Amino acid sequence: GAGVSQTPSNKVTEKGKYVELRCDPISGHTALYWYRQSLGQGPEFLIYFQGTGAADDSGLPNDRFFAVRPEGSVSTLKIQRTERGDSAVYLCASSLSYNSPLHFGNGTRLTVT
Amino acid sequence: EDQVTQSPEALRLQEGESSSLNCSYTVSGLRGLFWYRQDPGKGPEFLFTLYSAGEEKEKERLKATLTKKESFLHITAPKPEDSATYLCAVQAHTGNQFYFGTGTSLTVIP
Repeated sequence: GAGVSQTPSNKVTEKGKYVELRCDPISGHTALYWYRQSLGQGPEFLIYFQGTGAADDSGLPNDRFFAVRPEGSVSTLKIQRTERGDSAVYLCASSLSYNSPLHFGNGTRLTVT
Repeated sequence: EDQVTQSPEALRLQEGESSSLNCSYTVSGLRGLFWYRQDPGKGPEFLFTLYSAGEEKEKERLKATLTKKESFLHITAPKPEDSATYLCAVQAHTGNQFYFGTGTSLTVIP
């Protein structure tokens, strides 16, 4: 079956602009996670959804970051007033339940110029 | 604080030269320890889950083991296609987050 799909695969934006990153999880997976990965680092937790609700958003760095999952499937990560420090690969992962292994997409590489 | 440390940061092996990667962890009640493989430009690919000390899992040339403080990923007779970054992650009973280490970059030379 289809895996986790993330679009776009690459996004270049100017400092101060708004961006949206999309994640299509594996069908039937109720848990969805966003992670951020910088070069040479492991994935860093941002937010976790169980169904439609954000069960844990403690990893969001500040209020410029926001994520939604309105129908319990597709999720969008939104970043306002982007800064150069936001440049990274944003990874989305889904799982059958909260304690099942994560299945990752290939990420969106965000570059803020 | 829940924490994962992986060593070495990088490892170069000759084809056929077996070795082990280490993942040390500190977690308030381990729910599971997970190993992933990540190729350049790709997302991490799930390999194994280990839940309790003494547990072992195998897949082809890879074998993962778990103690109360660390996990090892043993690579037997590696091939060049095993070259990748191997990530370890833990999940605690008290939360839903997966905490990742910084990975071991493995290069297998033909």
